Amino acid sequence: RKEVEQDPGPFNVPEGATVAFNCTYSNSASQSFFWYRQDCRKEPKLLMSVYSSGNEDGRFTAQLNRASQYISLLIRDSKLSDSATYLCVVNGGGSYIPTFGRGTSLIVHP
Amino acid sequence: SQTIHQWPATLVQPVGSPLSLECTVEGTSNPNLYWYRQAAGRGLQLLFYSVGIGQISSEVPQNLSASRPQDRQFILSSKKLLLSDSGFYLCAWSRKGQVDEQYFGPGTRLTVT
Repeated sequence: RKEVEQDPGPFNVPEGATVAFNCTYSNSASQSFFWYRQDCRKEPKLLMSVYSSGNEDGRFTAQLNRASQYISLLIRDSKLSDSATYLCVVNGGGSYIPTFGRGTSLIVHP
Repeated sequence: SQTIHQWPATLVQPVGSPLSLECTVEGTSNPNLYWYRQAAGRGLQLLFYSVGIGQISSEVPQNLSASRPQDRQFILSSKKLLLSDSGFYLCAWSRKGQVDEQYFGPGTRLTVT
């Protein structure tokens, strides 16, 4: 079983739609969780951290479910500019080397 | 604020030629440093990481090597490039001793011909 798994997509959604991605992880001792955004041919950029209580940043909401070992990212009112690949990252659990998922591709169309 | 630089931005090299990619970080000290490679349409592959000067750990056996001659400088090298070395090379840093978020440089796009 892969350590961090994501549905590669692509998710094709119209502008204004709500879309959600999940990411599952295998190491129950993992300590910190993040979502990154990667535009085509660019470096990954931190989108948001994922806290146990969940967190929201504008149209983006991230949640953590430790019992089921997954994190989620919800994007409301999708914009064309949200089109990108979203990477899930899991840290800790005995290592300071982050584990990246392979990413979920989102395409927002007019 | 912290910044991370990588150069060159793009590179085209023939098979069998040497390689040297450089990464420097500003605005922080004692960072953890990482080299990743991303092949076209693929995920990030961790190549090397370093927790201090002269301390390098390799994640994947291959014809690449890394060095950290100074606290905030990380170099990726090869003596002889292979076609399979083509890809997008990313350097990243994170705060020392923490399971913290990483920050990536702009990357070097390497094409081996």
